[in-house]
Amino acid sequence: GQSLEQPSEVTAVEGAIVQINCTYQTSGFYGLSWYQQHDGGAPTFLSYNALDGLEETGRFSSFLSRSDSYGYLLLQELQMKDSASYFCAPSRGNTPLVFGKGTRLSVIA
Amino acid sequence: GAGVSQSPSNKVTEKGKDVELRCDPISGHTALYWYRQSLGQGLEFLIYFQGNSAPDKSGLPSDRFSAERTGGSVSTLTIQRTQQEDSAVYLCASSLKRGATNEKLFFGSGTQLSVL
Repeated sequence: GQSLEQPSEVTAVEGAIVQINCTYQTSGFYGLSWYQQHDGGAPTFLSYNALDGLEETGRFSSFLSRSDSYGYLLLQELQMKDSASYFCAPSRGNTPLVFGKGTRLSVIA
Repeated sequence: GAGVSQSPSNKVTEKGKDVELRCDPISGHTALYWYRQSLGQGLEFLIYFQGNSAPDKSGLPSDRFSAERTGGSVSTLTIQRTQQEDSAVYLCASSLKRGATNEKLFFGSGTQLSVL
């Protein structure tokens, strides 16, 4: 089986830093992906962590701790365009990718 | 094509009618997914095709839902005797799946289904 937990909503100020947490319980874990979805748009891939530690891609970073079954997405220098829903998804090898319910991020001025 | 293509983009139907939603994945992608997303909700997994293996249908909500993938490419999701609770955005995604390595999904723009 599999379970995922993410905060449902997060609000942060433009220019600030925000962290979106994801805890999971899944057998045969391989890695953790993050996707971004703007209102009315399709989800797009942001990052993937297969190993423990921090992966940085520009203003976005993603962290994984396999021993804690925990990861987070870190967004720095927030911009209004970062307002979107963010989904974490643990992968379990050759099984379908299942997403969490997502975290709705609202960036305010 | 350059991306995942879904048609129609919008579909309005009457309760009880059957509908077919089409997905044309990225050429060469072996994995194909269907997800459903209700307004303001997360992505609900429906069905998964991987190469020539039997599809994983574990997410289909009822036997009114079925899907096919012909020739390892185009997929059709069929909903029979539609109900109002079927109203949602149906998203298709494909990936160049290689075993357990990083699987990056590419999503289509979805089909907005409205059942009246």
